[in-house]
Amino acid sequence: KAGVTQTPRYLIKTRGQQVTLSCSPISGHRSVSWYQQTPGQGLQFLFEYFSETQRNKGNFPGRFSGRQFSNSRSEMNVSTLELGDSALYLCASNVGGGSYNEQFFGPGTRLTVL
Amino acid sequence: GENVEQHPSTLSVQEGDSAVIKCTYSDSASNYFPWYKQELGKGPQLIIDIRSNVGEKKDQRIAVTLNKTAKHFSLHITETQPEDSAVYFCAASGSSGYALNFGKGTSLLVTP
Repeated sequence: KAGVTQTPRYLIKTRGQQVTLSCSPISGHRSVSWYQQTPGQGLQFLFEYFSETQRNKGNFPGRFSGRQFSNSRSEMNVSTLELGDSALYLCASNVGGGSYNEQFFGPGTRLTVL
Repeated sequence: GENVEQHPSTLSVQEGDSAVIKCTYSDSASNYFPWYKQELGKGPQLIIDIRSNVGEKKDQRIAVTLNKTAKHFSLHITETQPEDSAVYFCAASGSSGYALNFGKGTSLLVTP
């Protein structure tokens, strides 16, 4: 079974631009979560989607948004990029049923904001 | 919200020795505690997890213990090998659905 895939793997943008990142979960998984990883703040939860609905949200500004499609694929968008948005953005998928199922991470998208 | 603290931040051991990483959490409602291993250029890989109704879990050379009263959990790696070198993260989840709250990570170096 294929793992979580994320595209693109690397991205360079300038301040003020916007960016869209994509995540395809493991086949059969219905929940997708997004995390931001930086050297200073570590791994921080952004949001979680299940059946096309945002079910949980972390403490990030409204510039960070996401969505999930009917095939469970998810995208996250960051508008008006700031230098501090440079990070590794990780997507994790899980089955979505029951409680606290294992989350499996993709390789991440490395975003650099210049 | 949940606060997870992880110690030590770096750990160096000789091949064959044991390594122990400790985490504490603040939210008594947390009931799921996974451990992840992250190698350079890769996403975190789930290596073991434990739920609050279990005190200990073992998988070959890796074990995790949980003390709910003290709100701490630990990762134990025995007979370490150079390929165990990586950054290890603990996490806690429970009071807010699937959201994982991560510790800051432990960089483990196993020297031959």
